[in-house]
Amino acid sequence: EAQVTQNPRYLITVTGKKLTVTCSQNMNHEYMSWYRQDPGLGLRQIYYSMNVEVTDKGDVPEGYKVSRKEKRNFPLILESPSPNQTSLYFCASSPMETGHQPQHFGDGTRLSIL
Amino acid sequence: GNSVTQMEGPVTLSEEAFLTINCTYTATGYPSLFWYVQYPGEGLQLLLKATKADDKGSNKGFEATYRKETTSFHLEKGSVQVSDSAVYFCALSGDYKLSFGAGTTVTVRA
Repeated sequence: EAQVTQNPRYLITVTGKKLTVTCSQNMNHEYMSWYRQDPGLGLRQIYYSMNVEVTDKGDVPEGYKVSRKEKRNFPLILESPSPNQTSLYFCASSPMETGHQPQHFGDGTRLSIL
Repeated sequence: GNSVTQMEGPVTLSEEAFLTINCTYTATGYPSLFWYVQYPGEGLQLLLKATKADDKGSNKGFEATYRKETTSFHLEKGSVQVSDSAVYFCALSGDYKLSFGAGTTVTVRA
């Protein structure tokens, strides 16, 4: 089954404790992206990647890092999480030949930073 | 930059009622337009799309028409069901990302 898998689905942690949210897709897509969803703001892009070793900032990259060492994986790293990063996070992927649309989304990761 | 404005919710309807969710956009160039749906506890699923002016996207009884002259992409369904209860997002493509509206929560009561 074609899917985008995120882990963990839920996490409660404390300020400053480094965490990683993993994202994996099994569709051999070149393009991957991270979004955060906040009430009243919709989804906003954090980082995206056009292919292995190619990443770029989205609209709200501050406080986040990403890496793309393998095509299927695109982890999101919060090196020193803060309460304003409490949010619902989505990973998405898509093939480049369709102009990276439409995007296939994971089921989301709800992060609470205390 | 690109932006999407979506009617605010929440919207509560009775089964078999008519649903309209307004969406207008600002964009450079000629973006593709999308409606995504998010059911409780799940990720976003593509509901329908339109890639050029006057295109009509349709799926599961939902429709939306890409209106370049009014920069709009309103979502409609003639007869909603309880299973249509969800959050609906209007979005447009550009700059290697999707730009989303704030989302509209729709609740359909039996």
